Amino acid sequence: QQNVQQSPESLIVPEGARTSLNCTFSDSASQYFWWYRQHSGKAPKALMSIFSNGEKEEGRFTIHLNKASLHFSLHIRDSQPSDSALYLCAVSSGFASALTFGSGTKVIVLP
Amino acid sequence: EAAVTQSPRSKVAVTGGKVTLSCHQTNNHDYMYWYRQDTGHGLRLIHYSYVADSTEKGDIPDGYKASRPSQENFSLILELASLSQTAVYFCASSDRTGLSGNTLYFGEGSRLIVV
Repeated sequence: QQNVQQSPESLIVPEGARTSLNCTFSDSASQYFWWYRQHSGKAPKALMSIFSNGEKEEGRFTIHLNKASLHFSLHIRDSQPSDSALYLCAVSSGFASALTFGSGTKVIVLP
Repeated sequence: EAAVTQSPRSKVAVTGGKVTLSCHQTNNHDYMYWYRQDTGHGLRLIHYSYVADSTEKGDIPDGYKASRPSQENFSLILELASLSQTAVYFCASSDRTGLSGNTLYFGEGSRLIVV
């Protein structure tokens, strides 16, 4: 069974700083890797995803994936108070397979 | 954007009672899921469904049943509610085509308190 772990559990950063979140997974056959963001009291919402080794950038957000290390990460450039949320990484082992989520990293961006 | 609606949004149930959480999606998605989230924690998969009239067990199915009577509707049933089932329950749907096939669209959640 897939085991997905996130670190750190929580993070406080000043506005404008770079935020880095980590996710490790246990199933080397995993194929699809996601980050979801959940603001307090709201539904989780897909942020971005990556399917092959390397890096993918969308605006202020960048995902790095290293399948050999069973690790991927999310980096937020120029963090904003509106980025304060619970960040959930998720992994699936096949196309349209159910996602397994990590326990989340709570990010607080101080103005 | 995809629309997933859950009802009730909040419920207090007594231990041993029956609880039904309902989910309706208007996205024409084939896949639907039920996850639970405990305070400050991630999401754990309870049941999911690929097609109407069929359900599959997720990672934590014990104490829960699911029903998918149509493509649009997916229910989660707690036959005998227990204190440990106090949580927020999220329903989600996803399409089966394209690289976005894994994108889950979540409802706003159903907060269940069992007393």
